[in-house]
This record gives sequence, C-alpha cells and structure tokens, in this order.
Amino acid sequence: GAVVSQHPSWVICKSGTSVKIECRSLDFQATTMFWYRQFPKQSLMLMATSNEGSKATYEQGVEKDKFLINHASLTLSTLTVTSAHPEDSSFYICSVLQGIDQPQHFGDGTRLSIL
Amino acid sequence: QKEVEQNSGPLSVPEGAIASLNCTYSDRGSQSFFWYRQYSGKSPELIMFIYSNGDKEDGRFTAQLNKASQYVSLLIRDSQPSDSATYLCAVWNGNKLVFGAGTILRVKS
Repeated sequence: GAVVSQHPSWVICKSGTSVKIECRSLDFQATTMFWYRQFPKQSLMLMATSNEGSKATYEQGVEKDKFLINHASLTLSTLTVTSAHPEDSSFYICSVLQGIDQPQHFGDGTRLSIL
Repeated sequence: QKEVEQNSGPLSVPEGAIASLNCTYSDRGSQSFFWYRQYSGKSPELIMFIYSNGDKEDGRFTAQLNKASQYVSLLIRDSQPSDSATYLCAVWNGNKLVFGAGTILRVKS
C-alpha cells in the first residue's frame, strides 16, 4: 500500500494565487521529508529538506519566501507556493525519509498549472 | 563533472532481451545507491537499492555495484513493453539523494 499520500494531485489556478500542497507519511513517523520539482523532460530537482519542528533547509536558488514549508508534525509537511506565476507551473513531488541510508518513498506528485 | 551521470538514451531493446542501465558517481565515499523507475507523468517508484559491492537480485531486476570503479548498474531480464520508462539512478550523499538525469528505456514488442 501507499507509504506517502500527497494532495492535491492536480491544481489549476490563476496567477497570483497561493497554493498549498500536503504530504503525509502514512506508515511511520517522518522526521525528514523532501520537496522536489520536476519540469517536463528534466530530472527531479530538490527544492528543500523539511525537518519536523525546525526550519526547512532550502537548496541554492530556491526562494524560501516564495516556497513556504511547514513540517509541524511527524506525519505532515506542507509546501505553499505563494503568489504563484506561470513559471511556477511544474510537477511537485514530496518524499519521505524512512531512515538514514534507507530508500525514500515518493508521493504521487502534484501537477500545478498557473494560468 | 556531475555528481551522478547516466546516459540519457533512449535505450531501445526488443521484448525479452536484457536491458542494461549504467550510472557513475563522483563521490567515492557514497554508501547507498538506488534505482527508481518513472513513467511519464508519474512520480518515481523504487525498483532496487544496494549498499554492498556485488550483485543484488530481485525478480527480473539485478543491481550491480562496484565502488572501486564508482559505478552502479541495473539489469532488467526478459524486458517487457511495460518496462518502458525513465530509470533514475540516485546516490545518497549523507544529506540528500542526488539524482542522475535518467535513462529512457524503450522495450519494443
């Protein structure tokens, strides 16, 4: 069964809207979750590492004020794309780290389209 | 030099053949290696992971690791059209997974 639940799976909204994406760990408590973005025909790009109870660690070039991450519990991390614009349209995927050196399990992804 | 390198392909193999996917990595201290399969429009799914030198088999899949040469490969036996996808090699660097660009595999019936 699914280890990670990501919601919503598809979002279409107007430019300027803020969009929240949820990532839930279903089978275990996850201290660490990751948020990725994938543009068409490109590989996954790590955006940030989400740590329960502390601030997220953002990758170089990712605007932390635009992509707000909250990891308030051991089973839920959220990514909010604030004031989204068409260039933010992408496939956003979260993953859950089960343990150091252990495989990461990915959510089904959220396809975000900004008009 | 990229941290994790894969041939982008596409790699085309006939149905029933063995598909061989290769990956090299730059960090000699890496200890954990993963292969993910990604269908178009879907998120990656874990196929195999390997930590020790040598081969690890799971059904039709075999992962091979050679730390001295810094390469990891994935063999798919009896390839099926449903195996057609992008295969992502990933290496854990201590803080995060580093992905290769992926190899497109096409299995022709």
